[in-house]
Amino acid sequence: GESVGLHLPTLSVQEGDNSIINCAYSNSASDYFIWYKQESGKGPQFIIDIRSNMDKRQGQRVTVLLNKTVKHLSLQIAATQPGDSAVYFCAENMGSGGSNYKLTFGKGTLLTVNP
Amino acid sequence: DAGVTQSPTHLIKTRGQQVTLRCSPKSGHDTVSWYQQALGQGPQFIFQYYEEEERQRGNFPDRFSGHQFPNYSSELNVNALLLGDSALYLCASSGGGAIADTQYFGPGTRLTVL
Repeated sequence: GESVGLHLPTLSVQEGDNSIINCAYSNSASDYFIWYKQESGKGPQFIIDIRSNMDKRQGQRVTVLLNKTVKHLSLQIAATQPGDSAVYFCAENMGSGGSNYKLTFGKGTLLTVNP
Repeated sequence: DAGVTQSPTHLIKTRGQQVTLRCSPKSGHDTVSWYQQALGQGPQFIFQYYEEEERQRGNFPDRFSGHQFPNYSSELNVNALLLGDSALYLCASSGGGAIADTQYFGPGTRLTVL
């Protein structure tokens, strides 16, 4: 069945270091992927997305890499700051054909940034 | 520009009761999705509304129902509440219309069933 999972449930880094959060997905039909950040007591906040016709996309301090061969997604955060501490979720969608609209989430990775 | 808003913020109910949660989408968005997030888990898709109709449903019982209004706002109704329904209920809006598009989430409603 379809599933989205994360290799590391927790990640602790020093302020200023780069962070890498990994995600594995099992459904080869997925063609749209999103990273969300969720702080305690809040809803998920959109960070960056990527479609399956790309293998890399950059935003402000963040980069998402997609490896369709091994069905792997990663989020890289440059110069990690204490404000980046949160749970990070990857989510997948198979909706480019217009028939599947749901997002399937993994369990999340807790990122802790130490000052 | 207001983002996705949800009400109420918190709610406490007892088993067997019914609850209604509300969501207003981000300005310009016409599609509303609802998710349930248990503690320590990722959100689970309940259903999505577009053009006032449910167009996709996740693996949730019929006790979970919804509605979308002409102004695109939405309600989630849960009947015959169970202890296991305690969770954070998230609303997400998107503007893709007929195609899947980026979903933006509201702050959620924390439901506690006693």
